[in-house]
Amino acid sequence: EAQVTQNPRYLITVTGKKLTVTCSQNMNHEYMSWYRQDPGLGLRQIYYSMNVEVTDKGDVPEGYKVSRKEKRNFPLILESPSPNQTSLYFCATGQGYEQYFGPGTRLTVT
Amino acid sequence: KQEVTQIPAALSVPEGENLVLNCSFTDSAIYNLQWFRQDPGKGLTSLLLIQSSQREQTSGRLNASLDKSSGRSTLYIAASQPGDSATYLCAVWGAGGSYIPTFGRGTSLIVHP
Repeated sequence: EAQVTQNPRYLITVTGKKLTVTCSQNMNHEYMSWYRQDPGLGLRQIYYSMNVEVTDKGDVPEGYKVSRKEKRNFPLILESPSPNQTSLYFCATGQGYEQYFGPGTRLTVT
Repeated sequence: KQEVTQIPAALSVPEGENLVLNCSFTDSAIYNLQWFRQDPGKGLTSLLLIQSSQREQTSGRLNASLDKSSGRSTLYIAASQPGDSATYLCAVWGAGGSYIPTFGRGTSLIVHP
């Protein structure tokens, strides 16, 4: 079954404590991306990757890092989380421009 | 900068009605447009993808049309059912080869029995 998995699904953390949200896909897609979804602002892209070792900034990359060492994995790293990064995060993969989304990670930074 | 607007923001209808959800975008130079469904607390599910050269796409009770020149897309849902209750989002990709899509804020749909 084609899947995009994210872990953890829910996370409550404190300001400044580094965290990583993992994303994995089994569809062999080259394109992967991260989004955040906030009430009133909609979905905004954080970073995307066209292939292994190729990453680019999206609309809101500040405060985030990503890496793409393997085709199937695209982790999102928050080196020093702040309360304004409290949000619902989605990983997505795509074939061409058609996107397939993971189930989401709800992050709360206190 | 591309802006995507979805009207209405919320809709509540009785079961069986035919529905039209609207999506408008400010820059008509798009590569494609995609409609998604999002259930509460869940991820997005792709419904229909329309390439810029296409006028419409159909899947079951869903039909999406695209009019690039006027910057509009509509999602038509025939014979709505309570299971159609969800938020519907549209997203556009720019024609310049950008891989950064712009999403609308969605239409929240409730279909009551």
